[in-house]
Amino acid sequence: NAGVTQTPKFRVLKTGQSMTLLCAQDMNHEYMYWYRQDPGMGLRLIHYSVGEGTTAKGEVPDGYNVSRLKKQNFLLGLESAAPSQTSVYFCASTTATANSYNEQFFGPGTRLTVL
Amino acid sequence: AQSVTQLDSQVPVFEEAPVELRCNYSSSVSVYLFWYVQYPNQGLQLLLKYLSGSTLVKGINGFEAEFNKSQTSFHLRKPSVHISDTAEYFCAVRSSGSARQLTFGSGTQLTVLP
Repeated sequence: NAGVTQTPKFRVLKTGQSMTLLCAQDMNHEYMYWYRQDPGMGLRLIHYSVGEGTTAKGEVPDGYNVSRLKKQNFLLGLESAAPSQTSVYFCASTTATANSYNEQFFGPGTRLTVL
Repeated sequence: AQSVTQLDSQVPVFEEAPVELRCNYSSSVSVYLFWYVQYPNQGLQLLLKYLSGSTLVKGINGFEAEFNKSQTSFHLRKPSVHISDTAEYFCAVRSSGSARQLTFGSGTQLTVLP
């Protein structure tokens, strides 16, 4: 099993450009999440999904959109990138099984720089 | 809303010395608590978790944590650290929402010195 994978690993954008980050998991997890990590601030939740076709806002959703057309994939989009979106982005997933301990499994991250 | 406070942003310690990384949380309901580790340029990996039962939780790599409900703390400890323990450590609490969201602390950078 590959677990959680993220594409791309690195990206540099100019202000105003758009891009999509792809997250894929092969564990048949129902729940998926996008976080951003900034120095001294830990991880903050951007958007999440509890199942195919459903998404919801997290703590810092502004400037981002997401889609979950397939259960295994969760896409994060930046329509018009801003320097404030320079960050490391992590995707995570977990199961919805009622008696599980709900560990979130994380991808390796995408380092995004917006100039 | 839940919150997590990691009181130390940087903890330097010499090899083979003991270490404690502090974590306090705020919540008005029952919580699940987690410690994750992030090695340089990698994703997060679960160290240990507290869901219920014994308040002393043992994790991987010789780490353990103690849940203290009265002090709302979940401090991480290791009796003897190694160079390879150098990493950033995050405390997290599971939110009360149905999507099993985690709220993370700001992280503690543990640096083990030779």
